[in-house]
Amino acid sequence: DTAVSQTPKYLVTQMGNDKSIKCEQNLGHDTMYWYKQDSKKFLKIMFSYNNKELIINETVPNRFSPKSPDKAHLNLHINSLELGDSAVYFCASSQVRTGGVTEAFFGQGTRLTVV
Amino acid sequence: AQSVTQLDSHVSVSEGTPVLLRCNYSSSYSPSLFWYVQHPNKGLQLLLKYTSAATLVKGINGFEAEFKKSETSFHLTKPSAHMSDAAEYFCVVSDSGGGKLIFGQGTELSVKP
Repeated sequence: DTAVSQTPKYLVTQMGNDKSIKCEQNLGHDTMYWYKQDSKKFLKIMFSYNNKELIINETVPNRFSPKSPDKAHLNLHINSLELGDSAVYFCASSQVRTGGVTEAFFGQGTRLTVV
Repeated sequence: AQSVTQLDSHVSVSEGTPVLLRCNYSSSYSPSLFWYVQHPNKGLQLLLKYTSAATLVKGINGFEAEFKKSETSFHLTKPSAHMSDAAEYFCVVSDSGGGKLIFGQGTELSVKP
């Protein structure tokens, strides 16, 4: 029973296309995230949603648009894909509490390749 | 602002020998610190976490880490490496706002037979 699941696992697409990645968590957490891992394995946060509200948006191009229909789901839509968007995208969730935060649970990642 | 620095990009050990992966942090307050592991083509798995309850933290698979405030360090250790420990390891600090995690650059651990 997967805690954080994202689909698809692999995505190969041409430049200029629009694509979406879906994420779902069954942990009952109130906060979900998208992280991007580049070719050097460096991980950086892109977005964070708390109870469907956007709370973190880290200087990400407007072509990236997250959407959270409910607190268990956070999808990532990418318009006009560029070569530089090729990376592994990780969804994660956690429970943010006063005075600290629990650990984040990560999905298996979506390897996006733009050709 | 919080940050973490992993002092080694690659560490190679022989099976059965100790592992030491080094991490220094920078934080203006008492941080929450984590170590995550990523096996090839896999997601990220939490090894252990420090949240100020005890300075020596035990994690899964025999790993542990010690929080040293005076040295601003949170090094990861294991007494005896196993071949299955070969992976990428990330030291992570939690930002105060919104639960954002800030990752170190990662340390690739190789284990030789």
